[in-house]
Amino acid sequence: TQLLEQSPQFLSIQEGENLTVYCNSSSVFSSLQWYRQEPGEGPVLLVTVVTGGEVKKLKRLTFQFGDARKDSSLHITAAQPGDTGLYLCGSGAGSYQLTFGKGTKLSVIP
Amino acid sequence: DTAVSQTPKYLVTQMGNDKSIKCEQNLGHDTMYWYKQDSKKFLKIMFSYNNKELIINETVPNRFSPKSPDKAHLNLHINSLELGDSAVYFCASSQNSPTTRETQYFGPGTRLLVL
Repeated sequence: TQLLEQSPQFLSIQEGENLTVYCNSSSVFSSLQWYRQEPGEGPVLLVTVVTGGEVKKLKRLTFQFGDARKDSSLHITAAQPGDTGLYLCGSGAGSYQLTFGKGTKLSVIP
Repeated sequence: DTAVSQTPKYLVTQMGNDKSIKCEQNLGHDTMYWYKQDSKKFLKIMFSYNNKELIINETVPNRFSPKSPDKAHLNLHINSLELGDSAVYFCASSQNSPTTRETQYFGPGTRLLVL
């Protein structure tokens, strides 16, 4: 089973600041998913990255997949209170077994 | 319109009881999952079903028994509930292929509290 490490575990910032969270593994990812989970809800897929070096943008969110496909980052520009939530990375190596990191809990203070 | 739905949303019960959680998806997916999220928000897979057949059964006590009457439904029955079973249980679904099965659609979760 692939182990995913996410950092930081907790992040509290002021509205308008930028932030980056990370997801790392000692193994190569076949693909990697980023999910956001809001309080009281299930995780919702934000993006899937597949190709090493890939960069995907979703409004103020920028996702990057490392060249070696062992790491990924999520950068949020000008964070807003609506970005508050638990950010999870997950990977399944093409199998049925999706493994998640422990998540980064982000709080954006107005 | 809900893609993946679960019932109940909240479940409070006494230790030793037997309870069931139901899950339905209307996405036409052929793979469904049960996950457990503990108090530290760690999300861990319990079971995976593909076309009503069990594919993955992680190290889950046999008090937990999933049942899939058809590929749109995956229910979870728990016998002899223990305090440590308290958690949020998420159902999810995906379309089976190596490139799409990792894109999972989650239900809203069932918050189980065992007293």
